Amino acid sequence: DAGVIQSPRHEVTEMGQEVTLRCKPISGHDYLFWYRQTMMRGLELLIYFNNNVPIDDSGMPEDRFSAKMPNASFSTLKIQPSEPRDSAVYFCASSPRASGPQNGFFGPGTRLTVL
Amino acid sequence: GENVEQHPSTLSVQEGDSAVIKCTYSDSASNYFPWYKQELGKGPQLIIDIRSNVGEKKDQRIAVTLNKTAKHFSLHITETQPEDSAVYFCAASRTSWGKLQFGAGTQVVVTP
Repeated sequence: DAGVIQSPRHEVTEMGQEVTLRCKPISGHDYLFWYRQTMMRGLELLIYFNNNVPIDDSGMPEDRFSAKMPNASFSTLKIQPSEPRDSAVYFCASSPRASGPQNGFFGPGTRLTVL
Repeated sequence: GENVEQHPSTLSVQEGDSAVIKCTYSDSASNYFPWYKQELGKGPQLIIDIRSNVGEKKDQRIAVTLNKTAKHFSLHITETQPEDSAVYFCAASRTSWGKLQFGAGTQVVVTP
């Protein structure tokens, strides 16, 4: 298996632009997570899905952030409009049900820079 | 909410020596404590976890101990090797299904 796939790996955009991050979880995994990592705040869980349904989105910082999972093999995290403070590495992770949702297999991350 | 503190922030050890990272947590209801290893340019990888009904868990050169009374848990790496160099994160949650609160991370450098 190729593992969790994220795209793009790097994204540089200007303030106010829309940004869409993409994730393909490991096939057969029931849970999908979006995390954000910064020097100041460390690793933060933004939202997670179980069987394509959002379970907990309390970590989503504000209305500018939205996440969707239209099917079991694809999820997006969208930021509109983007701001410089959104600059971070965004990780997607997935887990099989048997491991429990926290035993996540992380993707390589998307490094987002908002100018 | 839960607050997890992790020490030290950096740790330099000679190859073959042991490394110990310590974490404390604030929520007495936390029952699940995983540890992650993050190599440069990669996502975190779960290396070991422990639940509150267990005081110690071992997996080859890695061990984790938990003291629920004192609300602290530790990662022990024995016989360190250069490939152990990475950033290590502790985390805590009320259940293995709940939201994780991560520590700030420890940069471990193993010198040959």
